[in-house]
Amino acid sequence: ETGVTQTPRHLVMGMTNKKSLKCEQHLGHNAMYWYKQSAKKPLELMFVYSLEERVENNSVPSRFSPECPNSSHLFLHLHTLQPEDSALYLCASSQEEGEAYNEQFFGPGTRLTVL
Amino acid sequence: GQNIDQPTEMTATEGAIVQINCTYQTSGFNGLFWYQQHAGEAPTFLSYNVLDGLEEKGRFSSFLSRSKGYSYLLLKELQMKDSASYLCAVKDSNYQLIWGAGTKLIIKP
Repeated sequence: ETGVTQTPRHLVMGMTNKKSLKCEQHLGHNAMYWYKQSAKKPLELMFVYSLEERVENNSVPSRFSPECPNSSHLFLHLHTLQPEDSALYLCASSQEEGEAYNEQFFGPGTRLTVL
Repeated sequence: GQNIDQPTEMTATEGAIVQINCTYQTSGFNGLFWYQQHAGEAPTFLSYNVLDGLEEKGRFSSFLSRSKGYSYLLLKELQMKDSASYLCAVKDSNYQLIWGAGTKLIIKP
């Protein structure tokens, strides 16, 4: 138990569906992240929110839409996904303090399958 | 481009020692992290190196050589529960984490 929770743990959706992934951190951190993890590939950073403002969007397709209503919650809204979007989606949080080292704490992930 | 290289898979015997290597080429360097990820679970933090040398934490040690762009994770007295993937990540000049694809470690009795 790392203090970061994600729901749902598993999700199967069709290409025309709309769904949302939810992440909540109980650590009082000020930064949250969405990652995509595909088999045998490096973790891909999708979005970073620091102090509830999006600071990084690594050219992610618009069918993925993040939302950060407060420092404890992060959502990833999904619509018209493609089968290649099937992957493990991980949420993480950290305490950003200038240049200080700050480990990221990960949630258990949502295993997404797009049919 | 930025790149982190680690072996895809390694096998070791229970009770033995294993060394997992990581080489990196990044735009700047602000620290190197090792994470452990059991199948179906979240990655968990193992170690952090920002200066050259060895950091020891119980059965696990991590080494860094910045001039060589090289790190290794050393696991001693291997236990079956150490079977997992080990992820190397480097924080670049923008303080963004660049991740390797991970090394799957299989422990045999």
